[in-house]
Amino acid sequence: NAGVTQTPKFQVLKTGQSMTLQCAQDMNHNSMYWYRQDPGMGLRLIYYSASEGTTDKGEVPNGYNVSRLNKREFSLRLESAAPSQTSVYFCASSDPGRGQTEAFFGQGTRLTVV
Amino acid sequence: AQSVSQHNHHVILSEAASLELGCNYSYGGTVNLFWYVQYPGQHLQLLLKYFSGDPLVKGIKGFEAEFIKSKFSFNLRKPSVQWSDTAEYFCAVTSFSGGYNKLIFGAGTRLAVHP
Repeated sequence: NAGVTQTPKFQVLKTGQSMTLQCAQDMNHNSMYWYRQDPGMGLRLIYYSASEGTTDKGEVPNGYNVSRLNKREFSLRLESAAPSQTSVYFCASSDPGRGQTEAFFGQGTRLTVV
Repeated sequence: AQSVSQHNHHVILSEAASLELGCNYSYGGTVNLFWYVQYPGQHLQLLLKYFSGDPLVKGIKGFEAEFIKSKFSFNLRKPSVQWSDTAEYFCAVTSFSGGYNKLIFGAGTRLAVHP
């Protein structure tokens, strides 16, 4: 059982480059999330998707876009990377409609923008 | 807006010492509460959760937490820590808003246990 799978695990970008972080879950969860983790700041919610076809902004959405491609996949795109987006990114999923409000996390993507 | 506050950013303990990590949240509605642990270089894993019922919740690896509604608190405890408990601990709360479920995290507490 793979759970939540993120790719890539590591990435270095130059300022201004774009990239997409991929996330897929095989637990048939309705809700999916993207967080960034920075030292001393915990995990901050970037975007979330309560169900297929819907997305909403979290605490720190600026500079990011998301796509909920289908129920399994939720991608995060950086259109023009900035050094301030250097962080560890985590994708997560949950299914509150079935009483499963705890989130299951992927392994993370360590992104460095130079 | 809801928020989660963790009182200690860094805690250093010796093995066998007792642990208590504070967590307070601000949200007036129905909440679900969680503690997650992140071992060095790994992703977050669920330690324990509170949905309803007995306010004293037992989790994995000997951890427990007590929900005190009047204090909006959900403190994590362990009677005797081990070196392997060295990790970062995150308190989190979900709230239900407009039919959506959002999971908000505290800033985390980094625990170092010395042999």
